[in-house]
Amino acid sequence: GAVVSQHPSWVICKSGTSVKIECRSLDFQATTMFWYRQFPKQSLMLMATSNEGSKATYEQGVEKDKFLINHASLTLSTLTVTSAHPEDSSFYICSASTMSSYNEQFFGPGTRLTVL
Amino acid sequence: AQSVTQPDIHITVSEGASLELRCNYSYGATPYLFWYVQSPGQGLQLLLKYFSGDTLVQGIKGFEAEFKRSQSSFNLRKPSVHWSDAAEYFCAVGTRGNEKLTFGTGTRLTIIP
Repeated sequence: GAVVSQHPSWVICKSGTSVKIECRSLDFQATTMFWYRQFPKQSLMLMATSNEGSKATYEQGVEKDKFLINHASLTLSTLTVTSAHPEDSSFYICSASTMSSYNEQFFGPGTRLTVL
Repeated sequence: AQSVTQPDIHITVSEGASLELRCNYSYGATPYLFWYVQSPGQGLQLLLKYFSGDTLVQGIKGFEAEFKRSQSSFNLRKPSVHWSDAAEYFCAVGTRGNEKLTFGTGTRLTIIP
């Protein structure tokens, strides 16, 4: 149980284009979803927290207009990187939690974004 | 604010040897504590967690961790490592009423034959 999927697993795009990454909880309803960014050989950096039907809460320093997050249902959240630039290249990981999970987060497999 | 320290950036262990990965946290109340493992290019998998009760918790893949309040530690142990244990290990802390997790910087584990 508690499986989270991400799609796509990797994507290559041209500079200036937008990329959408999906995060789905497959066998549970996620009250909260989280988006992280991870640079090579570094820890996870929380970008934003989203609750179904509400606007996402972004961490300090994260551009909300560049990283658009939509949490349309209890099983789906999307991250759109708008007008991507090479410095946006990174590994993006989502996670999901439920009200009863005592902060435990269930992680997706990650999406490798490369911007040319 | 809560914080997590993993003092060891990289540890190398021989296959079959015992392992201990250190984790120290800073938080006033009783924290929720987690150990996650990440293989290259993958997401994070939960190894074990502590919320309350018995301070020695058992996890998957033969791992265990002990919560020591007096030392603000939650070290991860395994009596005999396998080559497949080579990965990055993250300690994380959460708190009641705050849904976020704070992650340590991670410890990279290398296994030598």
